[in-house]
Amino acid sequence: KAGVTQTPRYLIKTRGQQVTLSCSPISGHRSVSWYQQTPGQGLQFLFEYFSETQRNKGNFPGRFSGRQFSNSRSEMNVSTLELGDSALYLCASSPDAGPGTEAFFGQGTRLTVV
Amino acid sequence: DAKTTQPTSMDCAEGRAANLPCNHSTISGNEYVYWYRQIHSQGPQYIIHGLKNNETNEMASLIITEDRKSSTLILPHATLRDTAVYYCIVRGSNAGGTSYGKLTFGQGTILTVHP
Repeated sequence: KAGVTQTPRYLIKTRGQQVTLSCSPISGHRSVSWYQQTPGQGLQFLFEYFSETQRNKGNFPGRFSGRQFSNSRSEMNVSTLELGDSALYLCASSPDAGPGTEAFFGQGTRLTVV
Repeated sequence: DAKTTQPTSMDCAEGRAANLPCNHSTISGNEYVYWYRQIHSQGPQYIIHGLKNNETNEMASLIITEDRKSSTLILPHATLRDTAVYYCIVRGSNAGGTSYGKLTFGQGTILTVHP
């Protein structure tokens, strides 16, 4: 069974631009969560989608948004990029949104803002 | 979600058991204990999770105390490839039942396995 696939793996953008990252969950998984990892703040929760609905959102500005499609694939978008948005962005998928089900992570997208 | 406390770092000799402790004294009845690890710049890898009973899989064992206020992850025969940051996470639902999908990561324990 294929794992969680994130594309692209690496990305370089300029301040002020916008970026879209993609996540394909494990087949059959309906819950997708996004995380940002930086050296200073560690792993922080961005948002979670389940059956195309955002169920939970972390403490990030409105420049960070996401969506989930009917096939459970998810995208996150960051507009008006800032240098501080440089980070590893991770996606995790779960069969459902229950607390007793494991979440599996992709390898992440490394975003560098210059 | 309940807060967890882990030692900042630990060392272990190759071939020996690595026992990683975690305190979660404010855990509530419906919250699970999860363990993940992250090897440098890779995505976190799921290890094991449990609610009340001890759990074992091909990677590790999870021992949860009877009062559920602490747990220990055991890697029975540590290898050099087990060197990673290990995260203990408590995961459950909030009053509205909507925080299931959220994993709250702390700083974790840096486990170094040496020859």
